[in-house]
Order: sequence, then C-alpha cells, then structure tokens
Amino acid sequence: AQTVTQSQPEMSVQEAETVTLSCTYDTSESDYYLFWYKQPPSRQMILVIRQEAYKQQNATENRFSVNFQKAAKSFSLKISDSQLGDAAMYFCAYRRTRSNDMRFGAGTRLTVKP
Amino acid sequence: GAGVSQSPSNKVTEKGKDVELRCDPISGHTALYWYRQSLGQGLEFLIYFQGNSAPDKSGLPSDRFSAERTGGSVSTLTIQRTQQEDSAVYLCASSLGRREQFFGPGTRLTVL
Repeated sequence: AQTVTQSQPEMSVQEAETVTLSCTYDTSESDYYLFWYKQPPSRQMILVIRQEAYKQQNATENRFSVNFQKAAKSFSLKISDSQLGDAAMYFCAYRRTRSNDMRFGAGTRLTVKP
Repeated sequence: GAGVSQSPSNKVTEKGKDVELRCDPISGHTALYWYRQSLGQGLEFLIYFQGNSAPDKSGLPSDRFSAERTGGSVSTLTIQRTQQEDSAVYLCASSLGRREQFFGPGTRLTVL
C-alpha cells in the first residue's frame, strides 16, 4: 500500500524567511505524481505544486519549490520569503499515474510570525 | 467559471439519522471525488466518479455510505444511520480526467 508521511505536525517561520516542510512516501511504483496542497482556515484545498515522478527537474512555482529525491522517496516543500498568507495546513499527496485515488499525509500546520 | 461548491457548509445531526451532502463540480469536469477529513487528519479517499463508468467505491468505510452522480454533474453523498465517528469534514473535488483536482470548501458534519 502507498503511504505518505509528514513527520512535522507543526512548523513555524519568521516572515520573509525560508521554511522547508518534509514528506516521505512509500511505493513500489515508478510512475506517479506528487503534490503539495495548502488548506487555509477556509478549508479550501489549494494546489501549491505538482511533480511528475519521471521528471528529474524539481518543480518550482514562484516562491514554492520542491526537493524531489526519488531514490529516497522524499518530497520536501521549500517556501521562500514566507508571507503571512502562507499560514495554513500543508498536505503532501501521492497518486499513481493510473489510479483514481490520492493518498494524503496527515499534514503540517505552518505558522508565520510577523 | 465558478469553482466546486458544496452544501450545506455545516450540518449537525443526531445519531441514527440519515444525511445527504451535495457537491456541484466545475462545469465540464468529468471526474468527481469525495474525501473525508477527520479532525487533525489528512484526507481519506471515499469514492470516485469518471464519466459514465462505474464508480470506484473502494474507499467507502461501510455500507452506510453511498454516493451517486446524476447526469454526470451534481453528486450526493448519503450517510445512513449516522454514527459519532462519522463526524468530519467531507470534501468534494472535480477534475478533467486524471489531471489536477479542484476542491470545494467542504461540509462539516457533526453527529451528536
């Protein structure tokens, strides 16, 4: 079974600084997608970034970037120049390419201090 | 266009009652998902609809849970004889095929 582990229940970062959220996953598949979703208090899940497993280049979206280590099955999210609006729950998720369901980690609550 | 919408936003019910949760996906999206998010937990996959294909019900936790999708659009998740452990946020998402999923705001269900 595929599982996703987020070992940091809570993280805190000073505004304008950089923070890295960890995620590891367990799979025997070679073809899959990895995602980071943000869930603010409004409960709306928002896709932050997506990585295809076959791509060696790490995905980047503005201030958000990932460190994808396929052999280590690690997929960390780096948030640069943190802003107050980045405060939210962050979920790492995994989906096999030909699968319907997405597996989510338990989440990391990020606090941004002014 | 509009995003995924869900109703009601909050639902409080008594143990043993049936509830229906509604999801309006983004127009044109062929795939629709239901997830459950218990307090402090990640999302748990419940059921998946894709076009006219038979739904993937592999995530439904018991036979008290069912869902349907009428006309390939609106979906209703029904929980019969609710139990306190059913209390959670129920999230719906839609996508165009197996591409990025867009989530609704969820329905918070509280079973007293």
